[in-house]
Amino acid sequence: DTEVTQTPKHLVMGMTNKKSLKCEQHMGHRAMYWYKQKAKKPPELMFVYSYEKLSINESVPSRFSPECPNSSLLNLHLHALQPEDSALYLCASSQDFFSQFTMVADTQYFGPGTRLTVL
Amino acid sequence: KNQVEQSPQSLIILEGKNCTLQCNYTVSPFSNLRWYKQDTGRGPVSLTIMTFSENTKSNGRYTATLDADTKQSSLHITASQLSDSASYICVVSRPYNTDKLIFGTGTRLQVFP
Repeated sequence: DTEVTQTPKHLVMGMTNKKSLKCEQHMGHRAMYWYKQKAKKPPELMFVYSYEKLSINESVPSRFSPECPNSSLLNLHLHALQPEDSALYLCASSQDFFSQFTMVADTQYFGPGTRLTVL
Repeated sequence: KNQVEQSPQSLIILEGKNCTLQCNYTVSPFSNLRWYKQDTGRGPVSLTIMTFSENTKSNGRYTATLDADTKQSSLHITASQLSDSASYICVVSRPYNTDKLIFGTGTRLQVFP
């Protein structure tokens, strides 16, 4: 199984709502990532989890709250979002941050994304 | 500054034709370079990965080349198909610094019948 799944595919929410995005992988990967992608722009890294611990937070506003319940699951909790937060949210996973043997970044496998619209 | 630039920004070709996409990077030190294909509204899918010692890598009709001296890479698509319509993103990483991949801005390819 080389698939990263994300739910929901589409999400529309108001600025006062609380919602969550979910990501799952069963490849035994120990690193998981959240990216935000605006139209016609490359993905922007938001968070990195390594071995279920938050390793990187790219100065993301606190209205985005990540959670890694176990090694296969990654959530992104959303609260009090702004319309400018509307974007495609991508989850990715990799074997590790980098290969212990080749010391290069492991390939990241991306999920299909959640299209988020904030009204 | 570590940057990845791609050209052209967009490209329209007819089905069956070949095309070449370019990627120039200023990332240093360099570890590896990947080409991803991203369909609209979908996550990127890895096509090829090359380290500094590799000059070319093929994946079906996709062939990537790398010149680590000039810091240039290209992705050649042979006998294009309608399903090749997508954005193609060049991604570079550095050794021992894997917290962040450096993404290019992508080339939007449209293949028409």
